[in-house]
Amino acid sequence: DSGVTQTPKHLITATGQRVTLRCSPRSGDLSVYWYQQSLDQGLQFLIQYYNGEERAKGNILERFSAQQFPDLHSELNLSSLELGDSALYFCASSVPTIRDTGELFFGEGSRLTVL
Amino acid sequence: GQQVMQIPQYQHVQEGEDFTTYCNSSTTLSNIQWYKQRPGGHPVFLIQLVKSGEVKKQKRLTFQFGEAKKNSSLHITATQTTDVGTYFCARGSGNTGKLIFGQGTTLQVKP
Repeated sequence: DSGVTQTPKHLITATGQRVTLRCSPRSGDLSVYWYQQSLDQGLQFLIQYYNGEERAKGNILERFSAQQFPDLHSELNLSSLELGDSALYFCASSVPTIRDTGELFFGEGSRLTVL
Repeated sequence: GQQVMQIPQYQHVQEGEDFTTYCNSSTTLSNIQWYKQRPGGHPVFLIQLVKSGEVKKQKRLTFQFGEAKKNSSLHITATQTTDVGTYFCARGSGNTGKLIFGQGTTLQVKP
């Protein structure tokens, strides 16, 4: 158990719909990261938050948005869903140091299926 | 750019054989991390390398960071079926986040 909690574990929805994925980081971790993993693909970095503020952005579509709340949990909102958005979405948390990101602790992921 | 290339993409070995995956970058890396993802699981941190020429061992796993800090490798001695999974390297970009993962090497071990 990494200490990172993601909900829901599985989600099936239709094209054009909107979903929200939720992540609770490990206790004490200020940084939250979102990654997308499509079938047989690597981990694509989407976005990072640090203590409530956006810190780094990757290849995140404009239809996607995220935020980190004062209690440090984070939500990833996916709208106008397309078939290609079907993927496993991972949240990870860390305690970044001055020098680097630190070790990432991943949640078990939210598997999104768009039909 | 910031990409890291991993080779091979897939590797099938007989149990007891050795396995190596390589991670290469066109630019100097500040550090490199390695993760393992079991089938159906989530990535789990293995190790971080920071110093040029660094070598670290974890039981049958040996991690190396190149002298020029542009490449890294993970070597598994005498593979076991428990080693099955995908091994990812990931490059950091200081403390600003954006840990960029390689495409991974998927290891299959035949008993």
